[in-house]
Amino acid sequence: DIQMTQSPASLSASLGETVSIECLASEGISNDLAWYQQKSGKSPQLLIYAASRLQDGVPSRFSGSGSGTRYSLKISGMQPEDEADYFCQQSYKYPPTFGAGTKLELK
Amino acid sequence: QVNLLQSGAALVKPGASVKLSCKASGYTFTDYYIHWVKQSHGKSLEWIGYINPNSGYTNYNEKFKSKATLTVDKSTNTAYMELSRLTSEDSATYYCTRDRIYYYDGYGYWGQGVMVTVSS
Repeated sequence: DIQMTQSPASLSASLGETVSIECLASEGISNDLAWYQQKSGKSPQLLIYAASRLQDGVPSRFSGSGSGTRYSLKISGMQPEDEADYFCQQSYKYPPTFGAGTKLELK
Repeated sequence: QVNLLQSGAALVKPGASVKLSCKASGYTFTDYYIHWVKQSHGKSLEWIGYINPNSGYTNYNEKFKSKATLTVDKSTNTAYMELSRLTSEDSATYYCTRDRIYYYDGYGYWGQGVMVTVSS
């Protein structure tokens, strides 16, 4: 299985701060990478697909980038509603696998 | 709009089985696979498998092959996952999901999740 190593496990950001979360795949995944946001007690919600494409309705402060084995999610200007857990997921090979998650808190 | 409505929380005894449901609406049920995902301890996510509602074809994560059985009822647009021989390790929240459009697009739609608690 492809291992997704996500970092950091947690971080704290101030209002308006730019935040980055990274995922490292154990092998190349050809941009078949999605990012999800999960707020407390809710289902995960798709933010980014195909590494850099913004899901409909997601604020433009969210962006994704990367290639090969390294991918990142950036939030340009932390907002209170961005406090959540974030997960990456590869769909390049079965079984699809997820990163362990990043807990983002507002400082 | 696409909606995946899951059955309610379940409390089951060790060794028993439980069958979870996921009723789809807002799209043509047979056009998209239904995937199931496990979330343990409120954190990590694991893909269990998918079912093609049109053909009934299933693909399982090796880890869950002897644990989960996926089925569908096309007449009611409902997908099911049966979990067997339950242990405390199966206590988790289970989600049904659907591809955004293509399999490599990520899961664009999620059910609300169902918490399964295995306890005597």
